[in-house]
Amino acid sequence: KQEVTQIPAALSVPEGENLVLNCSFTDSAIYNLQWFRQDPGKGLTSLLLIQSSQREQTSGRLNASLDKSSGRSTLYIAASQPGDSATYLCAVWGNTPLVFGKGTRLSVIA
Amino acid sequence: DAGVIQSPRHEVTEMGQEVTLRCKPISGHNSLFWYRQTMMRGLELLIYFNNNVPIDDSGMPEDRFSAKMPNASFSTLKIQPSEPRDSAVYFCASGLTGGASGVYGYTFGSGTRLTVV
Repeated sequence: KQEVTQIPAALSVPEGENLVLNCSFTDSAIYNLQWFRQDPGKGLTSLLLIQSSQREQTSGRLNASLDKSSGRSTLYIAASQPGDSATYLCAVWGNTPLVFGKGTRLSVIA
Repeated sequence: DAGVIQSPRHEVTEMGQEVTLRCKPISGHNSLFWYRQTMMRGLELLIYFNNNVPIDDSGMPEDRFSAKMPNASFSTLKIQPSEPRDSAVYFCASGLTGGASGVYGYTFGSGTRLTVV
């Protein structure tokens, strides 16, 4: 059974710092991995989707990498801003569609 | 496109009552998912449809839960009878499947916050 773990569970950083969020999964037989953002009381917003044949995807200040063989992905956020404060969720699609981690709650302090 | 539309946004009901949650997926998407989110368990997949056919309902907690997708533009999740432990946020998501490559991205609705008292 696929399990997705995200570390750390919570993170607080001063504005302007670069940061890395981690995601690991137990079954490397995945089709793709997706990072989402969730604001309090809101739905999920897709940030980046990495297909299993890709190693990374970039969008603005966000960069996500995928190492399928080791079962790991990282989300790099450059020059963090208070508006980046949210919960970031990692999800993988393999034999079971979209298994989610429990997320990393990020606070960026001005 | 208006995205995935869920209704109602909030629902408060008494234990034992029937609850029906609704979802309109994005036009052209052929897969639809129902998820439940709680603080303790995070996001859990309840059921997954492909081309309106239920593919995997192993996440449905028990017989009190049922889901239907009568056509490509509408799905319902019904709980009968409801219990306080069903209180959670229920999300619907839709996507476009592409054979062995899985789903080419997913879009989530804003969710329905269900409270059973």
